[in-house]
Amino acid sequence: GQQLNQSPQSMFIQEGEDVSMNCTSSSIFNTWLWYKQDPGEGPVLLIALYKAGELTSNGRLTAQFGITRKDSFLNISASIPSDVGIYFCAGPHAGNMLTFGGGTRLMVKP
Amino acid sequence: DSGVTQTPKHLITATGQRVTLRCSPRSGDLSVYWYQQSLDQGLQFLIHYYNGEERAKGNILERFSAQQFPDLHSELNLSSLELGDSALYFCASSTPGQGDYRMNTEAFFGQGTRLTVV
Repeated sequence: GQQLNQSPQSMFIQEGEDVSMNCTSSSIFNTWLWYKQDPGEGPVLLIALYKAGELTSNGRLTAQFGITRKDSFLNISASIPSDVGIYFCAGPHAGNMLTFGGGTRLMVKP
Repeated sequence: DSGVTQTPKHLITATGQRVTLRCSPRSGDLSVYWYQQSLDQGLQFLIHYYNGEERAKGNILERFSAQQFPDLHSELNLSSLELGDSALYFCASSTPGQGDYRMNTEAFFGQGTRLTVV
């Protein structure tokens, strides 16, 4: 089946730093979704991307839909302690079924 | 709050037993998806129901089954439980049914049911 590869797997950064993570696929996606999961909670949708090259922001978060349609990027500016969590990329295939990447675990040092 | 409600939040049961997990989707959503999240497997798609009909199956074991009822709530039944079935089980919903294709792919997740098989 389709696989989404996320990198890095984990990041440990200082509060105030900017963060970049990405997601790549061997297949083309028409939609990219970015979710954040806090410990013990369900994933929360952060940003949805629908067009190649699209750049969308949600507060300090910015995500881009790669031109090749095989990748997507998520940037977090000026990180704060509550940004801690696992960030997942996801893309739909076979209808509405979502495939998820393995996640990027973000840890922020105050 | 995503609007998706899952019960129970925690469940501890013995091997060989059967459990039922319940999900109430967001108001108006017609699709319900079930996902399993294990420590070493990430989020794995199990099954998708749309307006009461099964639409897609992922890597769902034969010991597992699901259904969606006329009021659109869904239940995931897990039987002959094994230690390896211990995981977080998430329900998600989408498709407000307004004809906007974008809404069909934005899935909103519940808080999950943590199943521990001992």
